[in-house]
Amino acid sequence: GAGVSQSPSNKVTEKGKDVELRCDPISGHTALYWYRQRLGQGLEFLIYFQGNSAPDKSGLPSDRFSAERTGESVSTLTIQRTQQEDSAVYLCASSLVSGRTDTQYFGPGTRLTVL
Amino acid sequence: GDSVTQMEGPVTLSEEAFLTINCTYTATGYPSLFWYVQYPGEGLQLLLKATKADDKGSNKGFEATYRKETTSFHLEKGSVQVSDSAVYFCALSGRETSGSRLTFGEGTQLTVNP
Repeated sequence: GAGVSQSPSNKVTEKGKDVELRCDPISGHTALYWYRQRLGQGLEFLIYFQGNSAPDKSGLPSDRFSAERTGESVSTLTIQRTQQEDSAVYLCASSLVSGRTDTQYFGPGTRLTVL
Repeated sequence: GDSVTQMEGPVTLSEEAFLTINCTYTATGYPSLFWYVQYPGEGLQLLLKATKADDKGSNKGFEATYRKETTSFHLEKGSVQVSDSAVYFCALSGRETSGSRLTFGEGTQLTVNP
């Protein structure tokens, strides 16, 4: 079956502009996660969705970052007034449910470059 | 809070050599432990996992055993191949409810030469 998909695969933007990143999880997966991977570093958790609600937003680095999920499917991560330190690969993952034993399946990521 | 520490890379081996990548963790409760792999130009994919103490995860010739007494989950393979060249991430999932974010180590770059 289809895996997690993300778009765009690459995004180059100018400092100060807003960007939207999209994630399509595996069909039927109720849990959805966003992570960020800066160059040469591990992944940082950003936000978690269970259905359409976000019980854990504690990883969002500032109020310039927001995310939503509609119809228990697609999620959008929005970064307003982008800064150079926002440059990273943004990864989305989904899992069937949200327990600690459940495997998270990752998309290919969106590489964001802020000039 | 939860944390994962991986051995620093990069690691370079010859084909058929023995591989160990060390991983230790700090977590409250009883986390699940994972190894993810990122092949060049590809997305992150699960390699293996273990969900309780003394469990052994295995896949594609790789193994890791959940050692609660040493809080470790070291990755091993008896004979590496060139195709194993990738970045390997150790991760844990610690929360029982309300979502189980993964906490990752910083990754270990493995290069296997023919």
